[in-house]
Amino acid sequence: DAGVIQSPRHEVTEMGQEVTLRCKPISGHNSLFWYRQTMMRGLELLIYFNNNVPIDDSGMPEDRFSAKMPNASFSTLKIQPSEPRDSAVYFCASSSVGENNSPLHFGNGTRLTVT
Amino acid sequence: KQEVTQIPAALSVPEGENLVLNCSFTDSAIYNLQWFRQDPGKGLTSLLLIQSSQREQTSGRLNASLDKSSGRSTLYIAASQPGDSATYLCAVRSGTDKLIFGTGTRLQVFP
Repeated sequence: DAGVIQSPRHEVTEMGQEVTLRCKPISGHNSLFWYRQTMMRGLELLIYFNNNVPIDDSGMPEDRFSAKMPNASFSTLKIQPSEPRDSAVYFCASSSVGENNSPLHFGNGTRLTVT
Repeated sequence: KQEVTQIPAALSVPEGENLVLNCSFTDSAIYNLQWFRQDPGKGLTSLLLIQSSQREQTSGRLNASLDKSSGRSTLYIAASQPGDSATYLCAVRSGTDKLIFGTGTRLQVFP
């Protein structure tokens, strides 16, 4: 398996622009998580999905952030409009959640820089 | 609200030493605890997963223990090598399936 795949690896954009981050989870995993990592705040959970349904989005910082999972093999995290304080590394992770909780597998992340 | 703390924040040791990294959590009602490694510019790699009913897990030179009642886990690294240099994070999964991370221990092993 290729693991969790995220794109793009790097994104540099100007303040006010729309940013879309993409994630392909590991095939067969039924849970998908979006995390944000910064030096100041560490790893923060933004939102997670079970079976394509958003379960908890309490970590989404503002209405400027939205996430979708239209099918089991794809998810997007969108920021509109972007601001400099959104600069961070955004990670997608997937796992199988059930009686035998499996380890969480992370993608390599998208490094976002908003100028 | 679950809070996860890792001590020390940074550690620098000579090659060959045995190490102990500490992780503590405030709510003992967890499903499992997971240890990760993160190399600079990379994602997180899962090292060990301990279910709530287990006391420890081992993989090669790594051993992780879990004491739910006291809210603690330790990651033991035997005979450390320069290739072990990375940031190590622990994370606990609670009833809502959320994985809450600690702030990590940055480890440097020098030759």
